[in-house]
Amino acid sequence: DQQVKQNSPSLSVQEGRISILNCDYTNSMFDYFLWYKKYPAEGPTFLISISSIKDKNEDGRFTVFLNKSAKHLSLHIVPSQPGDSAVYFCAARGSGTYKYIFGTGTRLKVLA
Amino acid sequence: DAGVIQSPRHEVTEMGQEVTLRCKPISGHNSLFWYRQTMMRGLELLIYFNNNVPIDDSGMPEDRFSAKMPNASFSTLKIQPSEPRDSAVYFCASSLAEGSEKLFFGSGTQLSVL
Repeated sequence: DQQVKQNSPSLSVQEGRISILNCDYTNSMFDYFLWYKKYPAEGPTFLISISSIKDKNEDGRFTVFLNKSAKHLSLHIVPSQPGDSAVYFCAARGSGTYKYIFGTGTRLKVLA
Repeated sequence: DAGVIQSPRHEVTEMGQEVTLRCKPISGHNSLFWYRQTMMRGLELLIYFNNNVPIDDSGMPEDRFSAKMPNASFSTLKIQPSEPRDSAVYFCASSLAEGSEKLFFGSGTQLSVL
């Protein structure tokens, strides 16, 4: 029973173009969402977050969009760089809990 | 700061053997999490501690799994007896406070049970 779903296991994008990674969730009680990036043989590292009271958050080349009615969030990377090639995990936290539920990840490959 | 330190990096063992994974969180962090990564289920939360006390262990697969945090600087995850389906990467993470958005992950332990 996956409460946080990343339906695209992999994505390839040309350098300089936009990368869009998608995430869907089923629990309407989730109120905080995060993206983590993971390189091979390393642990995931925090990238960007968004609270349910917002619908957009930007940090440099990274923007996260939240559509609460659709229970969907997306991570946009513009422009994409070869160093962005990694696995990206979406995570969500329920209101009143500190338990982060992660998705299965999307492997992004940025082609030079 | 050395970050979250996990040991061993790799563990290969035979079915039925006891396995102990170790974690040293970042000094001053009050919350500690154990996650397991598999292809099918992604990063699954197994258990988390706050101020050394287990808060939620609902993700622990079965009684073969146990976790302890005897002090603020050390935690173990034990599997006894181990089974081939336990093969995965196990991550430990810590955060400054309960509810902090930033989890700091260790490099993980790659466990292979033959």
